Amino acid sequence: NSKVIQTPRYLVKGQGQKAKMRCIPEKGHPVVFWYQQNKNNEFKFLINFQNQEVLQQIDMTEKRFSAECPSNSPCSLEIQSSEAGDSALYLCASSQTGFQDTQYFGPGTRLLVL
Amino acid sequence: QQKVQQSPESLSVPEGGMASLNCTSSDRNFQYFWWYRQHSGEGPKALMSIFSDGDKKEGRFTAHLNKASLHVSLHIRDSQPSDSALYFCAASELMDSNYQLIWGSGTKLIIKP
Repeated sequence: NSKVIQTPRYLVKGQGQKAKMRCIPEKGHPVVFWYQQNKNNEFKFLINFQNQEVLQQIDMTEKRFSAECPSNSPCSLEIQSSEAGDSALYLCASSQTGFQDTQYFGPGTRLLVL
Repeated sequence: QQKVQQSPESLSVPEGGMASLNCTSSDRNFQYFWWYRQHSGEGPKALMSIFSDGDKKEGRFTAHLNKASLHVSLHIRDSQPSDSALYFCAASELMDSNYQLIWGSGTKLIIKP
């Protein structure tokens, strides 16, 4: 069973408010991913880290999203100014380093922007 | 066009029956495939991975990969009500140093008691 921990499980924000969610990856996994799953169950990759360094992030993430994975602290994803379209399930996953390594997911943080 | 396409969109199977799910990639760079299952209110859970041509069996689950046609399938025998969930096919690009997964649109599987 996955041991990726995500908090909070649910988050309700007004438009323009900041929304912050956290993730503790599985022990020993240096790579951390954030994905957004919309109401149609479609996945969108947001950003990933390897040992605190950003590997890749999409344009949307660069503009309104900020994320970090400091050593010895939970990883975090923050939306600076929430929009209605940000309402989704935010999934954190972690893995070993390698093209063949399975990503293990947490339960997600469900964000609702009113 | 989505790079990873799944079919059918929805599937209903009687308890104890065989469920067959399909996934096709349009990109030959995708060499590594996973099947994930997501129950309502939970994150996706990896069922199995397949990287080589042929079959891979784990318990009631069998995956099949045909690299020539870029087709992956998942077969669930002796389906149980607890198998009712969303099933996703995900692929990883060969030599993509960023490791991100490209996801299919999912198949909703319903097992009827």
